[in-house]
Amino acid sequence: ETGVTQTPRHLVMGMTNKKSLKCEQHLGHNAMYWYKQSAKKPLELMFVYNFKEQTENNSVPSRFSPECPNSSHLFLHLHTLQPEDSALYLCASSQLIQGENTGELFFGEGSRLTVL
Amino acid sequence: AQKVTQAQTEISVVEKEDVTLDCVYETRDTTYYLFWYKQPPSGELVFLIRRNSFDEQNEISGRYSWNFQKSTSSFNFTITASQVVDSAVYFCALRESGGSYIPTFGRGTSLIVHP
Repeated sequence: ETGVTQTPRHLVMGMTNKKSLKCEQHLGHNAMYWYKQSAKKPLELMFVYNFKEQTENNSVPSRFSPECPNSSHLFLHLHTLQPEDSALYLCASSQLIQGENTGELFFGEGSRLTVL
Repeated sequence: AQKVTQAQTEISVVEKEDVTLDCVYETRDTTYYLFWYKQPPSGELVFLIRRNSFDEQNEISGRYSWNFQKSTSSFNFTITASQVVDSAVYFCALRESGGSYIPTFGRGTSLIVHP
């Protein structure tokens, strides 16, 4: 099992569809993240979960809805997306030590999303 | 506020050439951490190195070496005798000691190594 697994790897959806991205980490970490990577733009942090609690929401539109049922799984629910939401969505995990993030993130291979 | 600048958008070299990827950062913290990540075509970012602000020793790992210069706020990455497998996007990142503890990434430098 690779450390951080994301499914699906590729997703094409219409603007009215509802879909979900899934992330699973097998590293025993207690923090998980969603990043968005668009062409020609820096990595954008979207959400952070520490010990299953959401601690960061970087002004992400409500059409993106995260869910973290346990410290190993993270979902990103998508609905009524726009074409500009097409991007690579990367999940990452890390270990908090005494509540502090070491900064070393372990990434999945990403889910390539295309919104038509 | 923290900021990471990778001024080189894309670098193209021929195999066996040495190449240096630049990273300049800004922070008001005296304690901070710097990172380099590699993103191959498969997509996942792979952690390469972490360096804290109190350790200015340069580091070498095989063909990779890192030059940390606090005086110029730079943390440059050199690949010696580049290989085609080094082709990837390389990200520099900065994490301050306070705040959310989450690293801020630069825009990345795309390295293309031609055979």
